[in-house]
Amino acid sequence: DTAVSQTPKYLVTQMGNDKSIKCEQNLGHDTMYWYKQDSKKFLKIMFSYNNKELIINETVPNRFSPKSPDKAHLNLHINSLELGDSAVYFCASSLGLAGVIDTQYFGPGTRLTVL
Amino acid sequence: AQSVTQLGSHVSVSEGALVLLRCNYSSSVPPYLFWYVQYPNQGLQLLLKYTSAATLVKGINDFEAEFKKSETSFHLTKPSAHMSDAAEYFCAVSESGAGSYQLTFGKGTKLSVIP
Repeated sequence: DTAVSQTPKYLVTQMGNDKSIKCEQNLGHDTMYWYKQDSKKFLKIMFSYNNKELIINETVPNRFSPKSPDKAHLNLHINSLELGDSAVYFCASSLGLAGVIDTQYFGPGTRLTVL
Repeated sequence: AQSVTQLGSHVSVSEGALVLLRCNYSSSVPPYLFWYVQYPNQGLQLLLKYTSAATLVKGINDFEAEFKKSETSFHLTKPSAHMSDAAEYFCAVSESGAGSYQLTFGKGTKLSVIP
């Protein structure tokens, strides 16, 4: 069983559309994350979500919004897509114990292409 | 603010040769340091992590890294490169939060292994 899964793996869409990427983890973790990897492979945190506490990277446009229906899922919604949103988006999860730096487990990524 | 610098965006080694990937960090508090590997078209996999215990950290696939506070470094080494080690390697730093922590990644180093 895949520990952290994402759907879809590839997403091609037009500028201005709204899209969602789904993430699920079956590890029983309390904290989930979204990262963006640009065309130069640079990885940057977008959000972390722990027990309904959302920590947002201040550089993330408010067109991006994470939604967590339950502890095992953290979906990423993107409104009014722009060309610059093209990237690979990675979901990750970790145990989420306060003060403990445990391992983050990453999903396989979703490659978003905005035309 | 924390940051990571990886020296060399691309490193080539011969099969069987020593692998050395450099990472320097900046952090206002004692850091937690990680090395992740990304194989082509895959997600990130943790190689090893430093969490203030032993300064020499051993990871998977014979990789190890040494934390040197005086040099603010956390270089990754492997005694003998295999073809299967060809991948992108990311160094990351983190500070603990209240149940979640965010990784700040370096820009990555692509390792090529020459037969």
